[in-house]
Amino acid sequence: AQSVAQPEDQVNVAEGNPLTVKCTYSVSGNPYLFWYVQYPNRGLQFLLKYITGDNLVKGSYGFEAEFNKSQTSFHLKKPSALVSDSALYFCAVRAPYGNNRLAFGKGNQVVVIP
Amino acid sequence: DGGITQSPKYLFRKEGQNVTLSCEQNLNHDAMYWYRQDPGQGLRLIYYSQIVNDFQKGDIAEGYSVSREKKESFPLTVTSAQKNPTAFYLCASSSSGSSGNTIYFGEGSWLTVV
Repeated sequence: AQSVAQPEDQVNVAEGNPLTVKCTYSVSGNPYLFWYVQYPNRGLQFLLKYITGDNLVKGSYGFEAEFNKSQTSFHLKKPSALVSDSALYFCAVRAPYGNNRLAFGKGNQVVVIP
Repeated sequence: DGGITQSPKYLFRKEGQNVTLSCEQNLNHDAMYWYRQDPGQGLRLIYYSQIVNDFQKGDIAEGYSVSREKKESFPLTVTSAQKNPTAFYLCASSSSGSSGNTIYFGEGSWLTVV
């Protein structure tokens, strides 16, 4: 079955600095990869996804993610973090066939320090 | 506005009671899902439905039940058999036909046992 690892529980970054949230995955076949953001007491908001094509995917709010097949990674990045980016970030993976449930990581709390 | 509406936002359940969480979508999506979120555990799939009048158990279906009588609606009942129901519950939906389709989430419902 597919799975996701988000190795860091919390990421602290100063406002204006680059932000990276790490994600590695395990799946049979070519993966479909997603990033979501969750603000306190809210549902998940879709940020971006990788299906096929260019390994660098651009999404909402200035976020992007890079798909690396050899490292089975899909790290989320933002060149300049804002205080308003402080939230919980989830990486998720789905297999292209068979048991194609969306498997989520445990989430990374991002804290942007003013 | 198009979207997924969950109600109520906050619900309190007494021991031995069944409670039902409502989920309605006007996105014309075929597939709907229920997830449970506990701190530090990410999201876990309870039930999902890919078409009206059909649904499947997810990873933690015990103590829960669902119905899918209409395309727009996918209510979740938390029964007295669920021993630890206090959690944040998220309803989601997506188009069917491809694992690359994005899953969109509602704003969530808090259930607390009192």
